[in-house]
Amino acid sequence: GGIITQTPKFLIGQEGQKLTLKCQQNFNHDTMYWYRQDSGKGLRLIYYSITENDLQKGDLSEGYDASREKKSSFSLTVTSAQKNEMAVFLCASSIGGGNYAEQFFGPGTRLTVL
Amino acid sequence: SQLAEENLWALSVHEGESVTVNCSYKTSITALQWYRQKSGEGPAQLILIRSNEREKRNGRLRATLDTSSQSSSLSITATRCEDTAVYFCATYSNNRIFFGDGTQLVVKP
Repeated sequence: GGIITQTPKFLIGQEGQKLTLKCQQNFNHDTMYWYRQDSGKGLRLIYYSITENDLQKGDLSEGYDASREKKSSFSLTVTSAQKNEMAVFLCASSIGGGNYAEQFFGPGTRLTVL
Repeated sequence: SQLAEENLWALSVHEGESVTVNCSYKTSITALQWYRQKSGEGPAQLILIRSNEREKRNGRLRATLDTSSQSSSLSITATRCEDTAVYFCATYSNNRIFFGDGTQLVVKP
């Protein structure tokens, strides 16, 4: 088995601030993902990466940057936090990026912007 | 527009009862997955059902897929309090996964 670790668990920022969220996985998976989950909603894909140093935009990439520094880690940056923004950011990984690949999720980072 | 969506926002049952969560989708798919998300946790996959399959089971869980009506169901038998969670369907299309908004299931003692 493996585990996905997300840090921090809670993140409070100020409007306009640049904020970075980190994700580590020890599954040795090739593909990693960042999703945003708003309250009562499903997951929306922000960025994904199929290998180290690869980046692919999802449906919600505007306002975010991502970096796949090494196979086991994938970070997400909110480039300018929006006032009153509240969401959970979920990191996931899978063996491949194909249609049948099971995604394993971390517990999430809960963002609040004051 | 949602490419996958569950048909009910919330359901409540008593422990031991059976329950079914339904999902509809809008595009041609290669596979559909059911995920469960407990409070404070990330989603966890329950069942993956491919487009050429009609039914898949995993313990107390049974998923069905009807590609003609573009719908799927997830049934849970002998529910337990620990089944309380949000249940999502997620569809694979063009190498991308799309999640519905989820159905909140509450299992009462």
